[in-house]
Amino acid sequence: AQSVTQPDIHITVSEGASLELRCNYSYGATPYLFWYVQSPGQGLQLLLKYFSGDTLVQGIKGFEAEFKRSQSSFNLRKPSVHWSDAAEYFCAVGATDTGNQFYFGTGTSLTVIP
Amino acid sequence: EPEVTQTPSHQVTQMGQEVILRCVPISNHLYFYWYRQILGQKVEFLVSFYNNEISEKSEIFDDQFSVERPDGSNFTLKIRSTKLEDSAMYFCASSLGVNSPLHFGNGTRLTVT
Repeated sequence: AQSVTQPDIHITVSEGASLELRCNYSYGATPYLFWYVQSPGQGLQLLLKYFSGDTLVQGIKGFEAEFKRSQSSFNLRKPSVHWSDAAEYFCAVGATDTGNQFYFGTGTSLTVIP
Repeated sequence: EPEVTQTPSHQVTQMGQEVILRCVPISNHLYFYWYRQILGQKVEFLVSFYNNEISEKSEIFDDQFSVERPDGSNFTLKIRSTKLEDSAMYFCASSLGVNSPLHFGNGTRLTVT
């Protein structure tokens, strides 16, 4: 069965520090992977996606993610965090064999301290 | 950039009442979805809709739920008789096709009292 695991429920980083949010997936076929961000009271905004090709994908707001098939991971990174990055981050896998249903992880809450 | 819009942003209703949550997907998208997020929990799939019919639904989407695309632009989720546990944020999403990213609306917060 498809699943997504985000091991870190909450992460706190200092502004300007680097960031890595972990995501592991379980899916039998080639996965379609996504990261979404949710600011308080807002909807889900797509940060980046991986379908195929280059395993390092660039997204909006300076984020990037690397697909590692051997580790079943799709970790999100940013070299220098800004205070406005504080939000909830969700990793998702798209299951194309079940009507394009998306499976979301439980999310990682990011706090940025000055 | 085109957006998915949802109305209302917040809906309060009494247990047992019917509610209709409304969504206007991106105009050239072909797949439509409803997800929900109970406070503090993960985003859960409810239903997907394509070609004027449900293509997939989760076990959450029981007989109390229904979806409709009444015209060329709106996509609605109806809950016939709300329960306390239906309180959640409901997100509408649309995508251009299979394997395309989902574009989400800002959600409707449903509070059942």
